[in-house]
Amino acid sequence: KAGVTQTPRYLIKTRGQQVTLSCSPISGHRSVSWYQQTPGQGLQFLFEYFSETQRNKGNFPGRFSGRQFSNSRSEMNVSTLELGDSALYLCASSGGELRNTGELFFGEGSRLTVL
Amino acid sequence: AQTVTQSQPEMSVQEAETVTLSCTYDTSENNYYLFWYKQPPSRQMILVIRQEAYKQQNATENRFSVNFQKAAKSFSLKISDSQLGDTAMYFCASGGGADGLTFGKGTHLIIQP
Repeated sequence: KAGVTQTPRYLIKTRGQQVTLSCSPISGHRSVSWYQQTPGQGLQFLFEYFSETQRNKGNFPGRFSGRQFSNSRSEMNVSTLELGDSALYLCASSGGELRNTGELFFGEGSRLTVL
Repeated sequence: AQTVTQSQPEMSVQEAETVTLSCTYDTSENNYYLFWYKQPPSRQMILVIRQEAYKQQNATENRFSVNFQKAAKSFSLKISDSQLGDTAMYFCASGGGADGLTFGKGTHLIIQP
């Protein structure tokens, strides 16, 4: 069974640009959640999608958005990039909604550098 | 809201020793789950062990076990017979509510040969 796939793995952007990251969950998983990992703040929850609906959202500005498609693949977008957005963005899938199962399967992450 | 605190930023032990990683948490949820995740260097995060809060029995997975003290809101991870491959960041996490999983800042565990 293929794991969680994230693309691209690495990318470099400049301030003010926008970026889109993609995540393909494990086949059959309907929940996709996104996390931002930085050395200073650790792992912070961005949002969760389940069956194409955003179920939960963390404490991030509106520049961070996402969506989920009918095949459960998910994308997250960050607009008007700031230096502080440099981070490893992790996607995780789960067989059920987070509040019901909580067990996550993580991808390898997309490392974003903002210059 | 949930908070998770890991008070040991880094630990180092010799191979084959036993090591315990500490974690305390706070949550307003009645039904919640606790987890330990492992993130090896440059590799993806994987689940080590999971504990349902309503279960009194401590979870065990081979060399990994937890000491779950619900009243004290403590959830420590014990690794027995540590191996070089156990070197990684270990994250304690709490979940089951509307805020996704809440992670601690992590403990960098180094197993020395």
